[in-house]
Amino acid sequence: GNSVTQMEGPVTLSEEAFLTINCTYTATGYPSLFWYVQYPGEGLQLLLKATKADDKGSNKGFEATYRKETTSFHLEKGSVQVSDSAVYFCALSLRGGYNKLIFGAGTRLAVHP
Amino acid sequence: GAGVSQSPRYKVAKRGQDVALRCDPISGHVSLFWYQQALGQGPEFLTYFQNEAQLDKSGLPSDRFFAERPEGSVSTLKIQRTQQEDSAVYLCASSLEGGQGIEQFFGPGTRLTVL
Repeated sequence: GNSVTQMEGPVTLSEEAFLTINCTYTATGYPSLFWYVQYPGEGLQLLLKATKADDKGSNKGFEATYRKETTSFHLEKGSVQVSDSAVYFCALSLRGGYNKLIFGAGTRLAVHP
Repeated sequence: GAGVSQSPRYKVAKRGQDVALRCDPISGHVSLFWYQQALGQGPEFLTYFQNEAQLDKSGLPSDRFFAERPEGSVSTLKIQRTQQEDSAVYLCASSLEGGQGIEQFFGPGTRLTVL
């Protein structure tokens, strides 16, 4: 079936460290891929997306590249800030599936000063 | 502008009670989704509306769950005879349309606790 697997958290980093959160997927067809973020006390919000192979999504210093050959969409940021502390969800949607999202379990990131 | 709103934000129910959860999507958004998020997990799809038509209800876990969107705007998720396993955060999301890759805007969720 269709699914998303994320690295388990929590991920704890010092400010200005490099961040990678791994995400791999299993899907029939060609999915669109997303990273959503949930800041403490807030709702889910879209961080970035990519809709076809080799596309790179980017926003707020975060990047992720759609890798069809490795079925991956890893999230990276070169220098994290305390304000990046949140839960990050990788997700996919399928063509013909009304764009319903299939989420990973989420990865909690804690950044310390 | 106003985002997606949900009410109540918190609901405590005794096992066996019926509950109704409300979602007000962004004005003009055709597509509306309900998701269920258990503690420590990612959201899981429940059902999808395009305007007032419920086009996909494949994620509803049992016939105790029922959703409607009679005028193509506000939606209500109803759970009958609640069970402890129904305890979760229920998220509503809306988007301009249901095309692949279109951004969904999420509400803050309703946290349901069944005692």
